[in-house]
Amino acid sequence: EVQLVESGGGLVKPGGSLRLSCAASGFTFNNAWVSWVRQAPGKGLEWVGRIKSKTDGGTTDYAAPVKGRFTISRDDSKNTLYLQMNSLKTEDTAVYYCTTGYYHDSSAPLGYWGQGTLVTVSS
Amino acid sequence: QSALTQPASVSGSPGQSITISCTGTSSDVGGYNYVAWYQQHPGKAPKLMLYDVSNRPSGVSNRFSGSNSGNTASLTISGLQAEDEADYYCSSYIRSSTPLYVFGTGTKVTVL
Repeated sequence: EVQLVESGGGLVKPGGSLRLSCAASGFTFNNAWVSWVRQAPGKGLEWVGRIKSKTDGGTTDYAAPVKGRFTISRDDSKNTLYLQMNSLKTEDTAVYYCTTGYYHDSSAPLGYWGQGTLVTVSS
Repeated sequence: QSALTQPASVSGSPGQSITISCTGTSSDVGGYNYVAWYQQHPGKAPKLMLYDVSNRPSGVSNRFSGSNSGNTASLTISGLQAEDEADYYCSSYIRSSTPLYVFGTGTKVTVL
């Protein structure tokens, strides 16, 4: 069974930093392309970014609102995905979900989701 | 890339059928057969209900079906049940630029 478990959320001041983790199990993590998606309170879903598998280049893509501030990385030896968030803004307040493709393809729908971790940016 | 447009709310009685629309552009919904639909109950993670316009993941009821025409995709729920009450989001993969995935504005489905 595919499992994704996020951790690391919490309260941080504007301008601060936070690192989220996502522990994966139940599938071959080192082959997976993994994304972060966020959802502000009472709002819709917003794709944040994705990292490819190392065998597919390990490159990253980001949404415009977070590019240059957020960094996605992975440790395949630990089956763990990370989201380093710097220069946080109040509008980054959201539940952050770790998610991966339903099948192995660049266009795959986001089929497996973690339970999410809440990040609150407030003074 | 703007969010895909969905009606804010749709309602129906148990047993009825409802349809949710998802309107985008030729750069997303109209350009590829990469439309997916997600169901989200309050406080829970989204759940994939349909992918590639009309394919159902294992375990999803065949009461859920999808179609696509031009720049508009649709999700139909037939035989509406109380457990179908939730928020529904469409999504499209964008092959050529970021954001790689664009989501709809979301539709609240109410079972009367």
